[in-house]
Amino acid sequence: DQQVKQNSPSLSVQEGRISILNCDYTNSMFDYFLWYKKYPAEGPTFLISISSIKDKNEDGRFTVFLNKSAKHLSLHIVPSQPGDSAVYFCAARPDNYGQNFVFGPGTRLSVLP
Amino acid sequence: DTAVSQTPKYLVTQMGNDKSIKCEQNLGHDTMYWYKQDSKKFLKIMFSYNNKELIINETVPNRFSPKSPDKAHLNLHINSLELGDSAVYFCASSQSLWGRASDTQYFGPGTRLTVL
Repeated sequence: DQQVKQNSPSLSVQEGRISILNCDYTNSMFDYFLWYKKYPAEGPTFLISISSIKDKNEDGRFTVFLNKSAKHLSLHIVPSQPGDSAVYFCAARPDNYGQNFVFGPGTRLSVLP
Repeated sequence: DTAVSQTPKYLVTQMGNDKSIKCEQNLGHDTMYWYKQDSKKFLKIMFSYNNKELIINETVPNRFSPKSPDKAHLNLHINSLELGDSAVYFCASSQSLWGRASDTQYFGPGTRLTVL
């Protein structure tokens, strides 16, 4: 039962262009969402988050958009840089349940020079 | 100066053996976790643990047991290893267990376990 889905296993983008990574979820009780970035042979590192009371959160080149009615969130990276090449995991938390996050399977982003 | 470290990085073993993976965090966090990344790349939480509470994901077989000698360490013991246990195991820590969702989890580099 995949409660958090990232339907694109991989994405390639030209350097300087926008990268858009998508995430869909099925549980309407999810109230907090995060994006993690993972380089090979390293653990995931926190990138950006958004609460369900917001529809947008921005941090430098990274913006996360949340569409609650569609149960969809997306991560925008503008402009994309080669160092952004990594696997990006979307994660969601059931309503007020501490740190028990549900992760998606990840999307591998390749930013081409 | 690694925040969350795991040893070993790679572990190859035979079915039926018992093995341990060690995890240490130097962030002063109260809570530690073990995750399993399966063949489909999903990161699934196995345990959440602080000094007072152990929360076990009910799908985790009781062959898996976390052991915490102190707040900075959470080791994972696995008995009678099976082929299906092959995966990458990640340790993580956060400031608290029931704190704000914005209390970021910090992950270790992972241990790739291969059961032959």
